[in-house]
Amino acid sequence: DTAVSQTPKYLVTQMGNDKSIKCEQNLGHDTMYWYKQDSKKFLKIMFSYNNKELIINETVPNRFSPKSPDKAHLNLHINSLELGDSAVYFCASSQRLSGGRNEQFFGPGTRLTVL
Amino acid sequence: DQQVKQNSPSLSVQEGRISILNCDYTNSMFDYFLWYKKYPAEGPTFLISISSIKDKNEDGRFTVFLNKSAKHLSLHIVPSQPGDSAVYFCAAAGTGSARQLTFGSGTQLTVLP
Repeated sequence: DTAVSQTPKYLVTQMGNDKSIKCEQNLGHDTMYWYKQDSKKFLKIMFSYNNKELIINETVPNRFSPKSPDKAHLNLHINSLELGDSAVYFCASSQRLSGGRNEQFFGPGTRLTVL
Repeated sequence: DQQVKQNSPSLSVQEGRISILNCDYTNSMFDYFLWYKKYPAEGPTFLISISSIKDKNEDGRFTVFLNKSAKHLSLHIVPSQPGDSAVYFCAAAGTGSARQLTFGSGTQLTVLP
């Protein structure tokens, strides 16, 4: 009955490799997000998709490419991994509500370590 | 440029007493504010929110206060319980169509038994 799930939970890989993180939500939400939590613990938005359409694309290296096959999934593919990509990546989802509400529900996070 | 600031990285409170977590913001276009709680190795969990048209919102032991003129909000937890020990993030949403959230750096709350 997990609302927002991410796989894998931990990912250890070598520099230069390509990897993907998968995210699925079963809440019926129309918007999904990827956040990066850096070493200073800030949660920073990377991407957002609404009904499979990209609506937020912050200044992120183009080695990062989100893919949304349907409203319930938003995957993150990272090419040519670098040491600085090491972080915890969180997926989130929300449903656009009236009054500007935007409660986002987060997955458990994927800790990526690049060696 | 931090638009949402939580200046206290940590706070310790005795069980049963009130916990007050503070958050300041700089962007006057923010119109919706949220608090999230995060346990280690888990994702943030939504706790409570407030719209800029209100100055207070209460949900059980949790109350959020918003002072728009001071661009300040606070989360009050009373009475505090050991299970409340977690990192608390303040977040703000802008008026853009994407309604993206900008997060503060978090405050580690420790409730001592």
